[in-house]
Amino acid sequence: EVQLVESGGGLVQPGGSLRLSCAASGFTFSFHSMNWVRQAPGKGLEWVSSITSSGGTIHYADSVKGRFTISRDNAKNSLFLQMNSLRDDDTALYYCAKAQTYTETTLQHWGRGTLVIVSS
Amino acid sequence: DIQMTQSPSSLSASVGDRVTITCRASQSISTFLNWYQHKPGTAPKLLIYVASSLESGVPSRFSGSGSGTDFTLTISSLQAEDFATYYCQQSYKSPYTFGQGTKLAIK
Repeated sequence: EVQLVESGGGLVQPGGSLRLSCAASGFTFSFHSMNWVRQAPGKGLEWVSSITSSGGTIHYADSVKGRFTISRDNAKNSLFLQMNSLRDDDTALYYCAKAQTYTETTLQHWGRGTLVIVSS
Repeated sequence: DIQMTQSPSSLSASVGDRVTITCRASQSISTFLNWYQHKPGTAPKLLIYVASSLESGVPSRFSGSGSGTDFTLTISSLQAEDFATYYCQQSYKSPYTFGQGTKLAIK
């Protein structure tokens, strides 16, 4: 069974940093692209970032480009999102999502999310 | 960036109804269009990929169609468990944008 478990969320002040992690199991992690998607309170889903299986191709939403960095450790079946210069509008539930085989952003399995609150 | 616009933003329907949700892209995305179902407090669920392919395990009452800029998600006969928010997402070009969502409520 595919499992994706996010961690690392919490309360942080504007301008601060957080590092989110996603522990993957139940599939061959190194074969799949991975993504982060977020949902702000009362809002819809917003795609944040994607990384291909080898880490060779990375994309970001304009809203986080230059502030967030996605990475992965295939040896540890883990996905990460380093978030710097956090703003109030980064407050959201952050989901880790696994892409279908041979695709980058058809999001086949999702975690339950980790909550990030940016507030002074 | 490609903008995805869903309509309606919300609708009310009854069990057994046929429901159609539309999604329009601001430019052609071929068939690189996915549909997701999201219920509060749960992980979103992939329903349809490449516009019309049914994800494994998803009931056959769900179907998708369209290409280019205009797409539809149809639920042929609503069941109680289908009341949720539905999102389209383009997987054609980064940034891989979602529509704003369609909240399907019980009438």
